[in-house]
This record gives sequence, structure tokens and C-alpha cells, in this order.
Amino acid sequence: DIQVTQSPSSLSASVGDRVTITCRASQDVRSALGWYQQKPGKAPERLIFAASTLQSGVPSRFSGSGSGTEFTLTISSLQPEDFATYYCLQYNRYPLTFGGGTKVEIK
Amino acid sequence: EVQLVESGGGLVKSGGSLRLSCAASGFTFSSYTMTWLRQAPGKGLEWVSSISGTGTYIYYADSVKGRFTISRDNAGNSVYLQMSSLRAGDTAVYFCSRLTCSGGNCYTPPDFWGQGTLVTVSS
Repeated sequence: DIQVTQSPSSLSASVGDRVTITCRASQDVRSALGWYQQKPGKAPERLIFAASTLQSGVPSRFSGSGSGTEFTLTISSLQPEDFATYYCLQYNRYPLTFGGGTKVEIK
Repeated sequence: EVQLVESGGGLVKSGGSLRLSCAASGFTFSSYTMTWLRQAPGKGLEWVSSISGTGTYIYYADSVKGRFTISRDNAGNSVYLQMSSLRAGDTAVYFCSRLTCSGGNCYTPPDFWGQGTLVTVSS
């Protein structure tokens, strides 16, 4: 199975900060990686797929990069509505596997 | 508008069974692989099972293999998860979603998700 290691597990940041979250896959997943945002009590929402393709309707301050085993989600200027938990997911091969999540909190 | 509505969750005793349903609308259901995912209270997301558009390809997480069965009804636009031999560790919110795959190769990860249904397994 492909293990996905996400870091950090939590971070504190201020509105306007640039935030970077990293996922590392234990095997090459090509570009088959997605990023999700989840707010308390809600279903996850897809932000990015194919490592760097922005989901329609998602603000352009979100961006994804990487391929193979290393991936990054960047929020260029954190907004109040961005405080949430973020997950990456590899879908190159079954079983699909998620990173452990990153909780982004207000500093 | 794509809609996925899960139902069937509830409180069940350890060793018991439960059947979850997910009613889909707003898209060509048979064209999509459907999947179940779950989230234990306060924990991260976990993929549970997927079934291809025709039902030919079925996959399970090791944690549920042999205990859970996924199925679909393309005429009724629904996907199901039959859960048996339930354990405390199966307590979670169960979500259904869709993804685009061909056989075992997926091209896009889950996009739309339902609101989830809570399964609580008591010992």
C-alpha cells in the first residue's frame, strides 16, 4: 500500500500569511494527488486534483505543485474562511490513501 | 446539480449489521465509480470501498475486507454498503462520493461528497 505522510499536522497562522502544506508518498503516484479542505461538521471539499489543477470555483490563492512522491499545497494569502483542516489523497493505486491532515488555526 | 444523499446509519451493537444507502442525482450515475469513505470521530479520512460503473471492479480497504460488501443499482441511481460483523473501530461518519476511473486506474479523485451518515457501534 502507498503511505502518504502529511506535514505539519497543525499550524498557526495569521490572516494574510502564506501557508505551505506538504505530502510525501511512499511510492511514485505520478500526478494522481488531490487536496481537500474540511470544516467542522462538514464533508470535505475538493480544492485541487491532478496535483495542480484547481477545482472550478476555488479561489486562485490556492495552488498545488509536485509530482512523483512530493507534493505541496500553498495558500498564498490566508483568509478567515481558510481556517480548516486540509487533507491530501493519492488515487494512483488502490487502496486510496489519505495524508493524516493539517489543521490550520488562527494565530 | 450533483447530489449524493446517504442514509441508513444508526446505533448498532458490536457484531451486528447495517446497510448504508447513497442516492445519487444530477449526473449519469452509471458512468462513475462510486466510493465509500469514512471518518472516525476526531480522526482523519479513510477510504473504505469503491465499485466501478458497471460493478465489474470492486475494491475494499483491508480493514473492512470480508465484512463489508459494496453494490450498486444503476437503474435506481444508488450505491450501497452492507456492513456486517461490526466493531467499535467502525464507528464513523460514512460518506459516499464519486470518482472517475477505468478499471483500477482513477483519473480524478472524489469530487462531490454527500453529507455523511453516522454509524455508531457499541460494545
